[in-house]
Amino acid sequence: DAGVIQSPRHEVTEMGQEVTLRCKPISGHDYLFWYRQTMMRGLELLIYFNNNVPIDDSGMPEDRFSAKMPNASFSTLKIQPSEPRDSAVYFCASSLSGSGTPDNEQFFGPGTRLTVL
Amino acid sequence: KNQVEQSPQSLIILEGKNCTLQCNYTVSPFSNLRWYKQDTGRGPVSLTIMTFSENTKSNGRYTATLDADTKQSSLHITASQLSDSASYICVVRGPSYNTDKLIFGTGTRLQVFP
Repeated sequence: DAGVIQSPRHEVTEMGQEVTLRCKPISGHDYLFWYRQTMMRGLELLIYFNNNVPIDDSGMPEDRFSAKMPNASFSTLKIQPSEPRDSAVYFCASSLSGSGTPDNEQFFGPGTRLTVL
Repeated sequence: KNQVEQSPQSLIILEGKNCTLQCNYTVSPFSNLRWYKQDTGRGPVSLTIMTFSENTKSNGRYTATLDADTKQSSLHITASQLSDSASYICVVRGPSYNTDKLIFGTGTRLQVFP
């Protein structure tokens, strides 16, 4: 398996533009997570899905952020309109197990480095 | 206040030396505690996982300890190598009946010099 795949790896855009980040989880994993990482705040969970259904989006900073998972092998995180403070590395992760299972390792993708000018 | 705090924020050591990274948490109860290693430009990768009843877990030159009474964990790296240069993140999972969310520390940035 190729692991979690994210695209693009780098994105540079101007303030006000729409940004779409893409993720393909590991085949068979039923959980998918979107994180944002900055130097100041570390890794922050934005939203996660179970079997394609959003479970908790309390980490989504504001209405400019939205995430979808139309099927088990694809998810998108969209920012519209983008702002300079959105500049960060965005990670997607997937895992096989959920509640009730102790070993719930999340496998992370390589991340998308977003720069909003 | 962050529920998972790590120290030091950054650390520089010479190749071959040992070092210990600390993690203090307030999450209670918890299911497990993991240490992740994150190389520059990459996603985090799990090193060890410990449940409430475990005191120590090793993975090669990495040894993690857990004291559930004091809510402290440490990651000890023996005979450091240049490839150990990375950020090390302590991650605590809340009770299994509650959520699948993980609580991340802000990490310790380790640099190993020749």
